[in-house]
Amino acid sequence: AQSVTQLGSHVSVSEGALVLLRCNYSSSVPPYLFWYVQYPNQGLQLLLKYTSAATLVKGINGFEAEFKKSETSFHLTKPSAHMSDAAEYFCAVSQRGTSYGKLTFGQGTILTVHP
Amino acid sequence: DSGVTQTPKHLITATGQRVTLRCSPRSGDLSVYWYQQSLDQGLQFLIQYYNGEERAKGNILERFSAQQFPDLHSELNLSSLELGDSALYFCASSSAGGRGTDTQYFGPGTRLTVL
Repeated sequence: AQSVTQLGSHVSVSEGALVLLRCNYSSSVPPYLFWYVQYPNQGLQLLLKYTSAATLVKGINGFEAEFKKSETSFHLTKPSAHMSDAAEYFCAVSQRGTSYGKLTFGQGTILTVHP
Repeated sequence: DSGVTQTPKHLITATGQRVTLRCSPRSGDLSVYWYQQSLDQGLQFLIQYYNGEERAKGNILERFSAQQFPDLHSELNLSSLELGDSALYFCASSSAGGRGTDTQYFGPGTRLTVL
């Protein structure tokens, strides 16, 4: 069975600082990996996904993530935080080699950006 | 706006009652997924339909059922409601049959409150 662990339920940064949100997965086969963002009272929006092409994936709003198989990690980064990045972020996995695409989510990380 | 619509936005009901949540996928999408988001369980996959047929099942209670109609909209039926069923219910859609690489587009959710 697959699982996802997001280290840190809350992360706080200053505007302009580096954003680093951590995600580790557990799976017998490297899965497909996703980062979603949820703004208050809204649905989830895809930031980026890893589907076994380049290990460094660039997404929307200046975010990127790097797949590291040896560390079973897929951490999300952004060089310079903006106030509008304040939201909850979810890492998710789906299983490779299946005919369905259900997502298994981590517990989420709330990002706070201070002026 | 993801193009996925969900109705109603809010639903308040009493224990023991039955409710129906409705989802319209993005135009052209064949797969519909249902997820439950609660404070204690996080985001959990419930069920997936593809072109009218059940494709995958997750942690869905027997009191819950779903279907996808010929026009591809989907309904999630929750019966014998309990206080613990209070949650945000998301619908997502994707274009294909649920390959693990598919991007799922999420609706704004239906917030269910059981009193």
